[in-house]
Amino acid sequence: GAVVSQHPSWVICKSGTSVKIECRSLDFQATTMFWYRQFPKQSLMLMATSNEGSKATYEQGVEKDKFLINHASLTLSTLTVTSAHPEDSSFYICSARPGTAQPGANVLTFGAGSRLTVL
Amino acid sequence: GEDVEQSLFLSVREGDSSVINCTYTDSSSTYLYWYKQEPGAGLQLLTYIFSNMDMKQDQRLTVLLNKKDKHLSLRIADTQTGDSAIYFCAESRERDDKIIFGKGTRLHILP
Repeated sequence: GAVVSQHPSWVICKSGTSVKIECRSLDFQATTMFWYRQFPKQSLMLMATSNEGSKATYEQGVEKDKFLINHASLTLSTLTVTSAHPEDSSFYICSARPGTAQPGANVLTFGAGSRLTVL
Repeated sequence: GEDVEQSLFLSVREGDSSVINCTYTDSSSTYLYWYKQEPGAGLQLLTYIFSNMDMKQDQRLTVLLNKKDKHLSLRIADTQTGDSAIYFCAESRERDDKIIFGKGTRLHILP
């Protein structure tokens, strides 16, 4: 089945530094990837939709200059948290969806998540 | 109100059936999903149902869809300790092609 790899699983950084999280689709081409942030009380918030070769579409209230998303190839999207602060500490999860012509086109496959702690 | 709603907690005795309910708002949703999240992990797709179906069964899992009431349920038969997790209901929203999640139901298994 479809597999999405997310790296790193855990990252601790100092306030003011930037952190990059990678999301890769291992056995399918993902024209669309989504980045979510999960808060302590379970809820999953969609941050942005990343489309290969074009600019990401950010949800209302998400700072595009703070959370930089790049989807340079059909198998890789990256999320960079710039100038991280303690309030950015969270669990970030990516997901990927195959292109419409591929099997499982409407099914999201999730990465294992990345826990970011900003000191 | 929220696009997708589900209760936050459910406690079930081991061996009993668990039923997790969900309501959604977009009547044009083509797919509805159930995902499972274990502690510290990402989301795992359990099953999904196409909107023209009423029911889908897969081993211990049964999904029921009432499209008129926009109600979706997930039944887990013979609930085991390994079923302890958070279960997310999601709909594929037609108007912007996004998949929208509920807040998740934490399933707790009693011995």
